[in-house]
Amino acid sequence: SQQGEEDPQALSIQEGENATMNCSYKTSINNLQWYRQNSGRGLVHLILIRSNEREKHSGRLRVTLDTSKKSSSLLITASRAADTASYFCATDAPWGAGGTSYGKLTFGQGTILTVHP
Amino acid sequence: DGGITQSPKYLFRKEGQNVTLSCEQNLNHDAMYWYRQDPGQGLRLIYYSQIVNDFQKGDIAEGYSVSREKKESFPLTVTSAQKNPTAFYLCASSTWDGNYGYTFGSGTRLTVV
Repeated sequence: SQQGEEDPQALSIQEGENATMNCSYKTSINNLQWYRQNSGRGLVHLILIRSNEREKHSGRLRVTLDTSKKSSSLLITASRAADTASYFCATDAPWGAGGTSYGKLTFGQGTILTVHP
Repeated sequence: DGGITQSPKYLFRKEGQNVTLSCEQNLNHDAMYWYRQDPGQGLRLIYYSQIVNDFQKGDIAEGYSVSREKKESFPLTVTSAQKNPTAFYLCASSTWDGNYGYTFGSGTRLTVV
């Protein structure tokens, strides 16, 4: 089952510009996470935002979460060529008996970001 | 350094053959996961384990098997019953509640020849 859908599928920008990626999901969540994947490599955890948080920052990354709209956005400011990668959102939704278990992530299809020098 | 190691990096399987992908972590994480990634796609969950000697099927478990005899190790066997095994396989680990994100291995690329 695919919980998250990301938009756009691909994004091409110049170095120094900001990049915004969006993620929508369908069910209530415990938290939402963003990951980066360089071509042919494993995923790297970027940031986690809990369901009771609305905004979170980490360096040049800014994540927002709107649980009423079931959506999140990832903003990368002052992008660099090294930011070129695929970016995935992942949701941690309650599961198991009584919906009290957590920790099993469902990933979106990803946004391919290309930053041109 | 703590981390998660997958081996081999590349693996070739003949038709009708079973192959095993290795995943080892030294992060003292309770939970481990196997995902499959097809070209241009997101990750789909194959199996997960939150504790030693226990594991659960994910969304696409058919044709795969796992074991969790040690906390550090979560090998994945791709059996001959898996009709389309060519893909990129990613192993991950986390704390039991996943509240600090996953740590991923560098992946194994499996090709059927």
